[in-house]
Amino acid sequence: ETGVTQTPRHLVMGMTNKKSLKCEQHLGHNAMYWYKQSAKKPLELMFVYSLEERVENNSVPSRFSPECPNSSHLFLHLHTLQPEDSALYLCASSQGTTSGTLSYNEQFFGPGTRLTVL
Amino acid sequence: LAKTTQPISMDSYEGQEVNITCSHNNIATNDYITWYQQFPSQGPRFIIQGYKTKVTNEVASLFIPADRKSSTLSLPRVSLSDTAVYYCLVGNQGGKLIFGQGTELSVKP
Repeated sequence: ETGVTQTPRHLVMGMTNKKSLKCEQHLGHNAMYWYKQSAKKPLELMFVYSLEERVENNSVPSRFSPECPNSSHLFLHLHTLQPEDSALYLCASSQGTTSGTLSYNEQFFGPGTRLTVL
Repeated sequence: LAKTTQPISMDSYEGQEVNITCSHNNIATNDYITWYQQFPSQGPRFIIQGYKTKVTNEVASLFIPADRKSSTLSLPRVSLSDTAVYYCLVGNQGGKLIFGQGTELSVKP
């Protein structure tokens, strides 16, 4: 248990579906992240939120839409995905400064959501 | 961001010490060196972080020579449960962890 939970753990969806992935951290951190890990590939950083503001968007297609309503929750809304979007989606959190500056601190990862797009 | 190079895979036996070396020739002055461990279908887990010389915690040691162009993660007396992928990361940009291919460690009985 890392203090970061993700739901659902597994998701199968069609290309026309709309679904959302949820992440919750119980560590009191003020920064949260979404990563994508495709089979046999390194983790790719998708989005970074600090103090609920998006500070990084790594050229992610618009069919992925993040939302951070508060410092404990992070969502990834999915719509009209492609089969190549099938991957393990990982959420992480870390503690930045009180001003929102991200530091190179340890990131705590959730168990991930295994997404399959048919 | 500094590029890292590490072996793609390593084999070991239970009870042995395992050393995984990572090259980072263009490491910047304010870069830190961090190692993560990942089991299949799980998120990575922080192992250790250092800036120079030697850092030790309850699970591993990190050796960094004076020129900081490489680092070695040392796992003492590995067990079957240490079979995982180990990632070496170098950077200082807050939040921007750049993962490479990692080293797939296989521990055999």
